[in-house]
Amino acid sequence: QQQVKQSPQSLIVQKGGISIINCAYENTAFDYFPWYQQFPGKGPALLIAIRPDVSEKKEGRFTISFNKSAKQFSLHIMDSQPGDSATYFCAASTGNDMRFGAGTRLTVKP
Amino acid sequence: EAQVTQNPRYLITVTGKKLTVTCSQNMNHEYMSWYRQDPGLGLRQIYYSMNVEVTDKGDVPEGYKVSRKEKRNFPLILESPSPNQTSLYFCASADRSSYNEQFFGPGTRLTVL
Repeated sequence: QQQVKQSPQSLIVQKGGISIINCAYENTAFDYFPWYQQFPGKGPALLIAIRPDVSEKKEGRFTISFNKSAKQFSLHIMDSQPGDSATYFCAASTGNDMRFGAGTRLTVKP
Repeated sequence: EAQVTQNPRYLITVTGKKLTVTCSQNMNHEYMSWYRQDPGLGLRQIYYSMNVEVTDKGDVPEGYKVSRKEKRNFPLILESPSPNQTSLYFCASADRSSYNEQFFGPGTRLTVL
Protein backbone atom coordinates (compact mmCIF):
# COMPACT_ATOMS: atom_id res chain seq x y z
CA GLN A 1 0.00 0.00 0.00
CA GLN A 2 1.51 3.27 -1.16
CA GLN A 3 1.64 5.76 1.69
CA VAL A 4 2.32 8.61 -0.70
CA LYS A 5 0.20 8.81 -3.83
CA GLN A 6 1.66 10.75 -6.75
CA SER A 7 0.05 11.93 -9.97
CA PRO A 8 0.25 12.09 -12.88
CA GLN A 9 2.38 9.13 -13.88
CA SER A 10 3.67 11.03 -16.88
CA LEU A 11 3.45 14.61 -18.04
CA ILE A 12 4.28 16.36 -21.29
CA VAL A 13 4.68 20.12 -21.24
CA GLN A 14 5.75 22.62 -23.84
CA LYS A 15 8.86 24.68 -23.23
CA GLY A 16 7.96 27.73 -21.18
CA GLY A 17 4.88 26.12 -19.69
CA ILE A 18 4.10 25.22 -16.09
CA SER A 19 4.56 21.64 -14.91
CA ILE A 20 2.48 20.56 -11.93
CA ILE A 21 2.89 17.31 -10.04
CA ASN A 22 0.67 16.40 -7.13
CA CYS A 23 1.12 14.19 -4.09
CA ALA A 24 -1.12 13.12 -1.23
CA TYR A 25 -0.28 11.37 2.01
CA GLU A 26 -2.17 9.74 4.88
CA ASN A 27 0.20 9.63 7.83
CA THR A 28 -0.09 12.88 9.77
CA ALA A 29 3.19 12.09 11.53
CA PHE A 30 5.11 12.98 8.38
CA ASP A 31 7.00 16.21 8.99
CA TYR A 32 9.25 16.64 5.99
CA PHE A 33 8.25 16.62 2.34
CA PRO A 34 11.08 16.54 -0.21
CA TRP A 35 11.04 16.30 -3.96
CA TYR A 36 13.73 14.34 -5.75
CA GLN A 37 14.75 14.72 -9.39
CA GLN A 38 16.15 11.76 -11.30
CA PHE A 39 17.78 11.92 -14.72
CA PRO A 40 18.12 8.75 -16.80
CA GLY A 41 20.97 6.57 -15.58
CA LYS A 42 21.43 8.59 -12.40
CA GLY A 43 20.30 8.32 -8.82
CA PRO A 44 17.64 10.64 -7.43
CA ALA A 45 18.90 13.99 -6.16
CA LEU A 46 17.20 16.26 -3.66
CA LEU A 47 15.57 19.16 -5.49
CA ILE A 48 13.55 21.07 -2.92
CA ALA A 49 11.84 20.29 0.37
CA ILE A 50 9.27 21.77 2.73
CA ARG A 51 8.17 21.34 6.31
CA PRO A 52 4.48 21.52 7.25
CA ASP A 53 4.79 24.80 9.12
CA VAL A 54 4.86 26.73 5.83
CA SER A 55 2.44 26.63 2.92
CA GLU A 56 4.85 27.42 0.13
CA LYS A 57 8.55 27.31 -0.64
CA LYS A 58 10.17 28.67 -3.75
CA GLU A 59 13.64 28.05 -5.13
CA GLY A 60 14.20 29.57 -8.52
CA ARG A 61 11.66 28.11 -10.94
CA PHE A 62 10.63 25.36 -8.51
CA THR A 63 7.87 25.87 -5.94
CA ILE A 64 6.33 23.49 -3.44
CA SER A 65 2.78 24.22 -2.35
CA PHE A 66 1.66 22.49 0.83
CA ASN A 67 -1.88 22.02 2.13
CA LYS A 68 -1.71 20.49 5.58
CA SER A 69 -5.47 20.15 6.10
CA ALA A 70 -5.89 18.31 2.79
CA LYS A 71 -2.68 16.31 3.31
CA GLN A 72 -1.54 17.27 -0.15
CA PHE A 73 1.49 18.93 -1.63
CA SER A 74 2.56 19.75 -5.13
CA LEU A 75 5.57 20.74 -7.19
CA HIS A 76 5.27 23.55 -9.69
CA ILE A 77 7.96 24.10 -12.30
CA MET A 78 7.61 27.50 -13.88
CA ASP A 79 8.98 28.27 -17.35
CA SER A 80 9.69 24.57 -17.88
CA GLN A 81 12.79 23.81 -19.93
CA PRO A 82 13.86 20.72 -21.91
CA GLY A 83 16.62 20.27 -19.32
CA ASP A 84 13.92 19.72 -16.70
CA SER A 85 12.92 16.49 -18.44
CA ALA A 86 13.39 13.86 -15.74
CA THR A 87 11.50 11.68 -13.32
CA TYR A 88 10.30 13.46 -10.20
CA PHE A 89 9.56 11.72 -6.92
CA CYS A 90 7.73 13.24 -4.03
CA ALA A 91 8.39 11.83 -0.58
CA ALA A 92 7.20 12.20 2.97
CA SER A 93 9.19 11.39 6.05
CA THR A 94 9.29 11.38 9.80
CA GLY A 95 12.57 10.65 11.53
CA ASN A 96 14.39 8.09 9.44
CA ASP A 97 11.22 6.75 7.81
CA MET A 98 10.94 8.15 4.28
CA ARG A 99 8.20 7.05 1.85
CA PHE A 100 8.33 7.82 -1.83
CA GLY A 101 5.64 8.35 -4.40
CA ALA A 102 5.61 6.28 -7.58
CA GLY A 103 7.24 9.00 -9.65
CA THR A 104 6.26 11.27 -12.54
CA ARG A 105 8.09 11.22 -15.83
CA LEU A 106 8.20 14.79 -17.12
CA THR A 107 8.97 15.55 -20.73
CA VAL A 108 9.40 19.17 -21.75
CA LYS A 109 9.10 19.59 -25.52
CA PRO A 110 11.17 22.31 -27.21
CA GLU B 1 34.18 14.77 -4.51
CA ALA B 2 31.43 13.77 -2.09
CA GLN B 3 29.69 10.74 -3.49
CA VAL B 4 28.01 7.39 -3.04
CA THR B 5 29.41 4.67 -5.26
CA GLN B 6 27.86 1.35 -6.16
CA ASN B 7 29.30 -1.70 -7.88
CA PRO B 8 28.53 -3.26 -10.18
CA ARG B 9 26.36 -0.85 -12.15
CA TYR B 10 24.86 -3.65 -14.23
CA LEU B 11 24.54 -7.32 -13.40
CA ILE B 12 22.84 -10.23 -15.11
CA THR B 13 22.74 -13.42 -13.09
CA VAL B 14 20.80 -16.65 -12.75
CA THR B 15 18.37 -17.80 -10.12
CA GLY B 16 20.03 -19.00 -6.95
CA LYS B 17 23.53 -17.64 -7.57
CA LYS B 18 24.60 -15.56 -4.58
CA LEU B 19 25.60 -12.00 -5.31
CA THR B 20 26.71 -8.87 -3.49
CA VAL B 21 26.22 -5.28 -4.53
CA THR B 22 28.65 -2.97 -2.83
CA CYS B 23 27.94 0.56 -1.63
CA SER B 24 30.46 3.03 -0.33
CA GLN B 25 30.20 6.68 0.73
CA ASN B 26 32.94 9.18 1.46
CA MET B 27 30.91 11.73 3.41
CA ASN B 28 31.28 10.14 6.85
CA HIS B 29 27.52 9.66 7.00
CA GLU B 30 26.04 7.59 9.81
CA TYR B 31 22.87 6.65 7.95
CA MET B 32 22.83 4.37 4.92
CA SER B 33 19.97 2.71 3.13
CA TRP B 34 19.10 0.44 0.22
CA TYR B 35 16.11 0.98 -2.06
CA ARG B 36 14.71 -0.80 -5.05
CA GLN B 37 12.98 1.09 -7.83
CA ASP B 38 10.28 -0.57 -9.87
CA PRO B 39 7.95 0.99 -12.47
CA GLY B 40 4.78 2.30 -10.91
CA LEU B 41 6.02 1.61 -7.39
CA GLY B 42 8.64 4.30 -6.91
CA LEU B 43 11.42 3.70 -4.42
CA ARG B 44 10.88 1.15 -1.71
CA GLN B 45 13.26 0.74 1.18
CA ILE B 46 14.89 -2.66 1.66
CA TYR B 47 17.15 -2.15 4.67
CA TYR B 48 18.72 0.76 6.45
CA SER B 49 21.50 1.33 8.95
CA MET B 50 21.70 4.07 11.53
CA ASN B 51 25.37 3.38 12.28
CA VAL B 52 28.04 0.70 12.33
CA GLU B 53 26.67 -2.69 13.38
CA VAL B 54 23.10 -1.28 13.47
CA THR B 55 20.77 -2.41 10.71
CA ASP B 56 17.00 -2.63 10.39
CA LYS B 57 14.40 -3.83 7.92
CA GLY B 58 12.62 -1.49 5.57
CA ASP B 59 9.44 -2.21 3.67
CA VAL B 60 10.66 -5.03 1.43
CA PRO B 61 13.49 -6.93 3.19
CA GLU B 62 12.55 -10.46 2.13
CA GLY B 63 15.32 -12.15 0.17
CA TYR B 64 17.98 -9.59 1.09
CA LYS B 65 20.71 -9.27 3.70
CA VAL B 66 22.94 -6.39 4.66
CA SER B 67 25.88 -5.75 6.93
CA ARG B 68 27.51 -2.59 8.29
CA LYS B 69 30.95 -3.45 9.55
CA GLU B 70 32.47 -0.13 8.57
CA LYS B 71 30.92 3.31 8.48
CA ARG B 72 31.59 3.89 4.80
CA ASN B 73 30.36 0.54 3.42
CA PHE B 74 26.92 -1.03 3.29
CA PRO B 75 26.79 -4.07 1.00
CA LEU B 76 23.53 -5.64 -0.15
CA ILE B 77 23.56 -9.43 -0.34
CA LEU B 78 21.18 -11.62 -2.28
CA GLU B 79 21.91 -15.14 -1.12
CA SER B 80 19.55 -16.88 -3.54
CA PRO B 81 18.30 -14.37 -6.10
CA SER B 82 14.98 -14.93 -7.81
CA PRO B 83 13.49 -13.30 -10.93
CA ASN B 84 11.21 -11.07 -8.81
CA GLN B 85 14.35 -9.37 -7.53
CA THR B 86 15.06 -8.04 -10.99
CA SER B 87 15.07 -4.32 -10.34
CA LEU B 88 17.05 -1.10 -10.16
CA TYR B 89 18.78 -0.77 -6.80
CA PHE B 90 19.94 2.42 -5.12
CA CYS B 91 22.11 2.96 -2.11
CA ALA B 92 21.75 6.21 -0.20
CA SER B 93 23.43 7.90 2.74
CA ALA B 94 22.64 10.79 5.04
CA ASP B 95 24.14 12.63 7.94
CA ARG B 96 22.53 11.92 11.32
CA SER B 97 21.67 15.61 11.66
CA SER B 98 19.43 15.36 8.60
CA TYR B 99 18.22 11.88 7.71
CA ASN B 100 15.82 13.46 5.27
CA GLU B 101 18.52 14.77 2.96
CA GLN B 102 19.63 11.56 1.38
CA PHE B 103 22.41 11.29 -1.17
CA PHE B 104 21.88 8.53 -3.69
CA GLY B 105 24.33 6.39 -5.60
CA PRO B 106 24.09 5.94 -9.39
CA GLY B 107 22.13 2.70 -9.18
CA THR B 108 22.68 -0.97 -9.98
CA ARG B 109 20.48 -2.59 -12.58
CA LEU B 110 20.06 -6.26 -11.68
CA THR B 111 18.51 -8.89 -13.90
CA VAL B 112 17.87 -12.35 -12.49
CA LEU B 113 17.13 -14.98 -15.14
